[in-house]
Amino acid sequence: DIQMTQSPSTLSASVGDRVTITCRASQHISSWLAWYQQKPGKAPKLLIYDASSLESGVPSRFSGSGSGTEFTLTISSLQPDDFATYYCQQYNTYSLWTFGQGTKVEIK
Amino acid sequence: EVQLLESGGGLVQPGGSLRLSCAASGFTFNSYAVNWVRQAPGKGLEWVSAISGSGGTTFYADSVKGRFTISRDNSKNTLYLQMNSLRAEDTALYYCAKVAIKTSSWSRFDYWGQGTLVTVSS
Repeated sequence: DIQMTQSPSTLSASVGDRVTITCRASQHISSWLAWYQQKPGKAPKLLIYDASSLESGVPSRFSGSGSGTEFTLTISSLQPDDFATYYCQQYNTYSLWTFGQGTKVEIK
Repeated sequence: EVQLLESGGGLVQPGGSLRLSCAASGFTFNSYAVNWVRQAPGKGLEWVSAISGSGGTTFYADSVKGRFTISRDNSKNTLYLQMNSLRAEDTALYYCAKVAIKTSSWSRFDYWGQGTLVTVSS
């Protein structure tokens, strides 16, 4: 199975900060990567798919980049609504689906 | 509007069985693969199982293979997860999630239900 490793596990930041979360795949997955946001007591919400495509309705301050084995989620200017846990997920063709362990974005 | 509504969770003893359901609406159910994803209390997301739109192809995580069975009834727009030989480590909130792309199981998950809680304890 493909392992997904996120860093950091926890991130403390202030409103207005630029935030970057990294996700590494244990093998090449092309651009078959999604990012999700989850708030306490809620289901995950799709933010980014195919590594860099913004899901409809998601604010443009969220962006994704990368391909192969290294991927990044960036929040250009952190807003109060963005404090949450973020997960990457790979959906490489003919592989089983796997998630990263999550990155919690906390208020500094 | 796409909706996914899970049900069937509850408290079960180790070694017991439970069947989860996920009622879907707002999209052409038989055109999309659907998945079960679980989240243990305070932990991250774990993919559990997937089934193609026709129901002819299924996939399982190693942690549940041989104990869980995914199925779907396209006439009822409903997804199922039959869970047998349950263990304490199966305790989690179980979500159903549909893929975004018709006719392909390998796609991001664009809609999720709110989850149903399974607790395995004596």
